[in-house]
Amino acid sequence: EIVLTQSPGTLSLSPGESAILSCRASASVSSNYLAWYQQKLGQAPRLLIDGASSRATGIPDRFSGSGSGTDFSLTISRLEPEDFAVYYCQQYGSSPLTFGGGTKVEIK
Amino acid sequence: QLQLQESGPGLVKPSETLSLNCTVSGGSIRTEINYWGWIRQPPGKGLEWIGSVSSSGSSHYRPSLKSRVSISVDMSQNQFSLRLTSVNAADTAVYYCARVKGFRIFGAVILGYFDYWGQGTLVTVSS
Repeated sequence: EIVLTQSPGTLSLSPGESAILSCRASASVSSNYLAWYQQKLGQAPRLLIDGASSRATGIPDRFSGSGSGTDFSLTISRLEPEDFAVYYCQQYGSSPLTFGGGTKVEIK
Repeated sequence: QLQLQESGPGLVKPSETLSLNCTVSGGSIRTEINYWGWIRQPPGKGLEWIGSVSSSGSSHYRPSLKSRVSISVDMSQNQFSLRLTSVNAADTAVYYCARVKGFRIFGAVILGYFDYWGQGTLVTVSS
């Protein structure tokens, strides 16, 4: 099973700042099959990025994903008030499907 | 627009069976390449994939839950279902159903990411 470790656990930032979230895998993620999700309190997760860097339909271009192998990142440039949430990475390169523990982006 | 909706009891007694349904609307559950899956989230914690099933009935489960879980599809109702037996307090969670984007690689379909989600339903295991 591939274990995904997300860091930091919490990121305290102000609107307008940029956020860089990390997702590190315990083994190489096949074909960079890594997705990112945003989850707001009381809501289901929403797909942001698949294939490590492809934005899902309707996702603003201030969200960008990068990385390969075992190290991936999600960058949110110019944080908007609605971006403060918890973010999860998920790998689908091997079974079982696994999620990272999440990074909370909170208002400073 | 595809929509998914979970339904089922919100309270299950320890050692009993948790049963949930997910109704799919806005599209057919019959799909050649995509799967349908369940994910859970204990209160205040992260996400855990439980398992997934194709419309043809092919299933994949999380190894740690495999002995207790089954997921099935009812195409006549455009639904898929989760059964988790012998539940205990650690199974208390919000349960989400979702569509799993599938990928065909060298003739085989592999599970991908979750692109459509239900709103989730809280299931509490307590006597």
